[in-house]
Amino acid sequence: GAVVSQHPSWVICKSGTSVKIECRSLDFQATTMFWYRQFPKQSLMLMATSNEGSKATYEQGVEKDKFLINHASLTLSTLTVTSAHPEDSSFYICSARRQTNTGELFFGEGSRLTVL
Amino acid sequence: GDSVTQMEGPVTLSEEAFLTINCTYTATGYPSLFWYVQYPGEGLQLLLKATKADDKGSNKGFEATYRKETTSFHLEKGSVQVSDSAVYFCALAGGTSYGKLTFGQGTILTVHP
Repeated sequence: GAVVSQHPSWVICKSGTSVKIECRSLDFQATTMFWYRQFPKQSLMLMATSNEGSKATYEQGVEKDKFLINHASLTLSTLTVTSAHPEDSSFYICSARRQTNTGELFFGEGSRLTVL
Repeated sequence: GDSVTQMEGPVTLSEEAFLTINCTYTATGYPSLFWYVQYPGEGLQLLLKATKADDKGSNKGFEATYRKETTSFHLEKGSVQVSDSAVYFCALAGGTSYGKLTFGQGTILTVHP
């Protein structure tokens, strides 16, 4: 089956630093990837839609300058949390939609960010 | 806007018990409905889906029927196993953007031997 991989799976950083999380579709091309944020014991909240070769579309309330998204190829999207603060600590999950399949989304394992 | 409401957990059952996790939704138009499962330490996996009213999605013994009249998509399984312990998310995709999912809050299921 299709596999989406995220890296790193967990990261701890100091306040004020930037952290990059990668999302790769390993066996299919993904024109669209989605970034979600999951707070403890809460649901997933869509942050942004990442389209290959164009700017990401951010959901209302998500700071685009804070959460930089780049989708430079059909198999890779990156989320950079800039100048991270403790309130950015969360579980970030990406998902990818196969290029020729408008149905199922495939999810990465998630990346847990802890900002000290 | 679109929203999904799941029954609150956690749900604790004994092995071979019957499982129901309620899910209701609010959406414009005719959304597609999904159940995702998140096992400990893993990413979300699609469990089943239904794309139109009265469709029944099924997989691994789990079933859910798309009920337009009650705007519901309840998840059921006749006999749960310890390996079913996980977090279950109900979700919908509406409008023209099939990939944008709206999730319920998740229900933690724990099955004891």
